[in-house]
Amino acid sequence: DSGVTQTPKHLITATGQRVTLRCSPRSGDLSVYWYQQSLDQGLQFLIQYYNGEERAKGNILERFSAQQFPDLHSELNLSSLELGDSALYFCASSGTLAGAQYFGPGTRLLVL
Amino acid sequence: GIQVEQSPPDLILQEGANSTLRCNFSDSVNNLQWFHQNPWGQLINLFYIPSGTKQNGRLSATTVATERYSLLYISSSQTTDSGVYFCAVLDSNYQLIWGAGTKLIIKP
Repeated sequence: DSGVTQTPKHLITATGQRVTLRCSPRSGDLSVYWYQQSLDQGLQFLIQYYNGEERAKGNILERFSAQQFPDLHSELNLSSLELGDSALYFCASSGTLAGAQYFGPGTRLLVL
Repeated sequence: GIQVEQSPPDLILQEGANSTLRCNFSDSVNNLQWFHQNPWGQLINLFYIPSGTKQNGRLSATTVATERYSLLYISSSQTTDSGVYFCAVLDSNYQLIWGAGTKLIIKP
């Protein structure tokens, strides 16, 4: 158990819908990262927050947005969903910018 | 940007065998991590190893930062070792750059 929690574990929805994925980092970790992993692909970095502020953006679509709240949990919002958004979405956290990243169990999203 | 190459891409072994996985990176890095993604998709931290050697049970890792490579050793393989092993390095922007992974299958 990495100490990073993600909910829900599984999500099935229809095209055009909007969903919210939630992540709680390890206790004391200030940095939260979101990644997308499509079938048989590597991990694509989406976005990073550090102590409530957006720090870096990767390959995140405009239909996707995220935020980190004062209690340091983070949410990833995916809207106008398309079939191609079906993937495993991981959240990770780290204590420092150069420190090890610890990954949550992921949310498996299926868009039908 | 930094390039991360892992080899071999695929590896099939009998239970009990030993293996060495390699990760080459093209520039100096702030850290290096090895992960195991099991068949259920869970990503497990194996090592945080910017340099030197670490051991954890049947697994050990060595990173030679000056020569820009890292090795992951798995001894006495078990079927539960199956999955994909990823190497990821932290670049100067503190972003993880991932290798394509080594897919390991351990046959009973």
